[in-house]
Amino acid sequence: EAEVAQSPRYKITEKSQAVAFWCDPISGHATLYWYRQILGQGPELLVQFQDESVVDDSQLPKDRFSAERLKGVDSTLKIQPAELGDSAMYLCASSILAGEGDTQYFGPGTRLTVL
Amino acid sequence: AQSVAQPEDQVNVAEGNPLTVKCTYSVSGNPYLFWYVQYPNRGLQFLLKYITGDNLVKGSYGFEAEFNKSQTSFHLKKPSALVSDSALYFCAVRDMGRASKIIFGSGTRLSIRP
Repeated sequence: EAEVAQSPRYKITEKSQAVAFWCDPISGHATLYWYRQILGQGPELLVQFQDESVVDDSQLPKDRFSAERLKGVDSTLKIQPAELGDSAMYLCASSILAGEGDTQYFGPGTRLTVL
Repeated sequence: AQSVAQPEDQVNVAEGNPLTVKCTYSVSGNPYLFWYVQYPNRGLQFLLKYITGDNLVKGSYGFEAEFNKSQTSFHLKKPSALVSDSALYFCAVRDMGRASKIIFGSGTRLSIRP
């Protein structure tokens, strides 16, 4: 069964450092999402891509976060500089299209700890 | 604006008993409703969804959910709980319209005791 791949699974960094997360969606999925999940809460959308284009980045803190999906396949989410409040699980998901009823399939996530 | 609520932070059930995890929602149009499960340090796994049609939706691992439009609810159910069902469950809603985004509830921790 095809899965969404993410790396690394765990990342510990010091504040003010740069971190990057990688996501490889299920093959053929045009839509890719990055979510942030704070402990004890549900995931919140950071950015949505349709192929290589950003569809929604309204909740992305653009002063420190950036995301790209250059060839419309895999994607990278970067934080620079990291702050203590960025400690969270970062989840990547993909779906075939961007329709309201399309199922999003999630990767295992990257647990970020900022010291 | 759309929203989703999971009124119970934790649900405790004995193995073999039926379980219910509650979810209510608010949208301006027709809702698209989802249930996901999350195990420790893992991503979310899709269980089931309601798009249209039959109000009773069957999903993975024996779970089902009933869409109730008048009560704006989409409760997750299982006739006989297993210890392995212990996990964190998220309800999610998406409003109609391609510009809408999926909104997740705060989660309900399900604990099944042997």
